[in-house]
Parts: sequence; structure tokens; C-alpha cells
Amino acid sequence: DAKTTQPNSMESNEEEPVHLPCNHSTISGTDYIHWYRQLPSQGPEYVIHGLTSNVNNRMASLAIAEDRKSSTLILHRATLRDAAVYYCILRDWYNNNDMRFGAGTRLTVKP
Amino acid sequence: ETGVTQTPRHLVMGMTNKKSLKCEQHLGHNAMYWYKQSAKKPLELMFVYSLEERVENNSVPSRFSPECPNSSHLFLHLHTLQPEDSALYLCASSQDLGGQYEQYFGPGTRLTVT
Repeated sequence: DAKTTQPNSMESNEEEPVHLPCNHSTISGTDYIHWYRQLPSQGPEYVIHGLTSNVNNRMASLAIAEDRKSSTLILHRATLRDAAVYYCILRDWYNNNDMRFGAGTRLTVKP
Repeated sequence: ETGVTQTPRHLVMGMTNKKSLKCEQHLGHNAMYWYKQSAKKPLELMFVYSLEERVENNSVPSRFSPECPNSSHLFLHLHTLQPEDSALYLCASSQDLGGQYEQYFGPGTRLTVT
């Protein structure tokens, strides 16, 4: 299965943009790029996903490299409530749902 | 209520007890999942159901027994558990199977086996 690589931790200042990178050099043509986050003592929360084109929703933007071997989750204005562990996951179109969470990136937001 | 709900939120049980975890989704989704999250370990997929039929069973011990009576409800029946089964058990749902659909998670049941 394709795997992802993320930095262990990142810091941001409140109200500044945050760019969370993810490398997935072995991605296949049928892999969707998903992002989830998990706050302490809560279940994971869906953030955004995409296949080839950049995506925007009310929570974030997803920028996907042209060769699809990397992507970046963009939080446009970080708030204290965005402090969480962010997971970048590849999910195949046909696979019956093996959500392989790695260690993720722990985002700290400073006031 | 909206989203995915799980009960109980916390459970302490002895190794000889029998208990059940309940999950309910109010999203009209066709697929439901059970995951296990142990301390300092990645999330592990346990079971996948689509339209009440089990489609994945990832080598989970038989002391965990899932049940999906309809597309909105999912149970995990527990019996003769071991202390190493202590973990956060998460339920999730998605519109259908496949990587094009996002999953929505419940808050989890924190299980402690004594």
C-alpha cells in the first residue's frame, strides 16, 4: 500500500496561515488524498480530500502537486481550536477501506 | 442528534464480563466501520460493513463480535477481553465504500479492561 510521510510537529501563530506538507511518492492513479485531524480525547475529524485538482472547503484548502507525489493542507487562519494531530492518508478507489493512519503532524498554535 | 454517536463513552469491564458498544449514524450512510486506537499506536481498522453486510474483517480475535442490524446501527459485542484490549474504540460511517468517500467518526468509547 502507498504510504505518506509527514513532519512530526509544526508550530504556528494564531491567525496566520499554516501549510502542512505530506509526501506520497508511491501514490497510484486511483489513490485519493485524504486529510483528517484529531483533537485530544476525540475521534478523528474529516478535513478535506482530493484526487488531482486543488480543493477548497470551509475548513481548509488542499494543494496537490502536478505529479501527485506530494500535497499540502492549508489552514488559512489558524486558531487555537486548530491545534490537533493532522493525518494525511491515501485511500484507493477500489480498496475496501483500509484507513492507514500514520503518526501524523502535531500542530501547535501559539496565541 | 446529528453525525455519528457512540455509547457508552467510557466503559470499565473485567475479563469475564460481556458488554456491547453501540454506534448510530444519522447521516444516511451505507457503510460503517469499527476502529481500535491504542495508546501510541496508529488507528487500526477492525470491521467494515456495507448495507448491513460485513465486507472486511482484519484478523480480529473472536472475542470481538460485530453486529449490524441495519445501515444506521452498529454494535461491537465484547466477551472475555484481555487487558491489552484496553483502547479507544471508534465507529465511523461513509456514504459508500471506496476512497472517494470521506469517513465521519464518532467520539469513541474509552474501554478499560481490568
